[in-house]
Amino acid sequence: ILNVEQSPQSLHVQEGDSTNFTCSFPSSNFYALHWYRWETAKSPEALFVMTLNGDEKKKGRISATLNTKEGYSYLYIKGSQPEDSATYLCAWEDNYGQNFVFGPGTRLSVLP
Amino acid sequence: DAGITQSPRYKITETGRQVTLMCHQTWSHSYMFWYRQDLGHGLRLIYYSAAADITDKGEVPDGYVVSRSKTENFPLTLESATRSQTSVYFCASTVRGPYGYTFGSGTRLTVV
Repeated sequence: ILNVEQSPQSLHVQEGDSTNFTCSFPSSNFYALHWYRWETAKSPEALFVMTLNGDEKKKGRISATLNTKEGYSYLYIKGSQPEDSATYLCAWEDNYGQNFVFGPGTRLSVLP
Repeated sequence: DAGITQSPRYKITETGRQVTLMCHQTWSHSYMFWYRQDLGHGLRLIYYSAAADITDKGEVPDGYVVSRSKTENFPLTLESATRSQTSVYFCASTVRGPYGYTFGSGTRLTVV
C-alpha cells in the first residue's frame, strides 16, 4: 500500500496569519511531487510540480519545499487571505509511471 | 475550445444500469486518469492510461471498465451501477515530466 499522508487534516487561521502544512510520501521510486489547490465545486488546480530533492517553488504568497530523501514536502502560505480557503492536495508520482497517489488533503479555512 | 471536458456534468441512474462517463482532451496528452472523490478519502485513482490502447488499474478499479482507442478520449463505464458508486468523478490528463495534471470539471453521478 502506497501511503501519501497530509497533515493537518484541517485548520483554521485568521486573515494575515502565515501557515504551513505537510505532505509525506514514499521516498523510494520517487519521480515527482505535485501540489494542488481545490476549491469547493471546482476542479483541482495545479500549484507546483517538484522533482528534485531540495526544490523550492514559489507562486505569489505560496511556496513549497521538497525533501525526497526523507519523503516530505511543505506548503507555506504567507499572510493568508480568505480567498486562500480551499483544500490543498499533494500527489506523489513514481518513476515507473505506474503510481499516481493523492493525499487526503488539508482543508484550510481563513477567517476574515 | 482547447482543454479537457467531461460529460455529462450530472447524471442520475438506477442500480444495475450501465452508464458511461466521457472524457475528452485536446492537447494530445499521453496520460489520462479517472479519479473518484469521496468524503474522507480525497481523490482515489480508478484507472489510468499511459497512451492509446494502454490502460491500467488504479486503487479502486472494481466495477469500472475503461478504454482508450484514441489518445484524446478516455471513457469510464460502470457496467452495473451500484449505490456505492455514487460520487463525483474527475478525469485528468498530463504529459510525463514536471507538469501538473489538468482536471476536468467533474461528473456528479448519483445511483438510486
